[in-house]
Amino acid sequence: GDSVTQMEGPVTLSEEAFLTINCTYTATGYPSLFWYVQYPGEGLQLLLKATKADDKGSNKGFEATYRKETTSFHLEKGSVQVSDSAVYFCALSRGSTLGRLYFGRGTQLTVWP
Amino acid sequence: DSGVTQTPKHLITATGQRVTLRCSPRSGDLSVYWYQQSLDQGLQFLIHYYNGEERAKGNILERFSAQQFPDLHSELNLSSLELGDSALYFCASSAGLAGGHTGELFFGEGSRLTVL
Repeated sequence: GDSVTQMEGPVTLSEEAFLTINCTYTATGYPSLFWYVQYPGEGLQLLLKATKADDKGSNKGFEATYRKETTSFHLEKGSVQVSDSAVYFCALSRGSTLGRLYFGRGTQLTVWP
Repeated sequence: DSGVTQTPKHLITATGQRVTLRCSPRSGDLSVYWYQQSLDQGLQFLIHYYNGEERAKGNILERFSAQQFPDLHSELNLSSLELGDSALYFCASSAGLAGGHTGELFFGEGSRLTVL
């Protein structure tokens, strides 16, 4: 069945460090891929998405590229800030069930000044 | 603020009891989704309603049920509660049937249920 695997962390970085959070997926067909972010005490919110192979999603300095050959959608940011501290979830959805998301376990990111 | 409202934010109850969680979607959104977030299982899809009709079921226990009312708010009913039901329950909404064809869901802040 459909599933997402991501590094669980926690990840602790200093401000301005480079961030990578790995995400791989298993799905039939051509899923859409997402990164959601959950700030403390809040619900999840969409960070970026990609709907087909080789698409790059980007937002707020974060990027992720849909790699079908490696079934991956790694999240990267060149220079993290303290305000990026949050839990990051990789997710996928498919075809007619676009609204149903399959989530990874989440990665806690803490950025120190 | 996502525009999705969930009540209550926190709920503590005992095993065997029944609770109801409420969700008001964003204005105009017809789809409502319920997700459960637990330490054991992570984020799991429970159920999806569109304009009052059930559209998809995920890993939802028979002790759990949901409905969406004509005003589009939704309720998740959890009965015969067990310790393992302790979790954060999220409601999400979207404009269309398939997440507005973008997969973007708008999540509430969640209802934290603790079963003692």
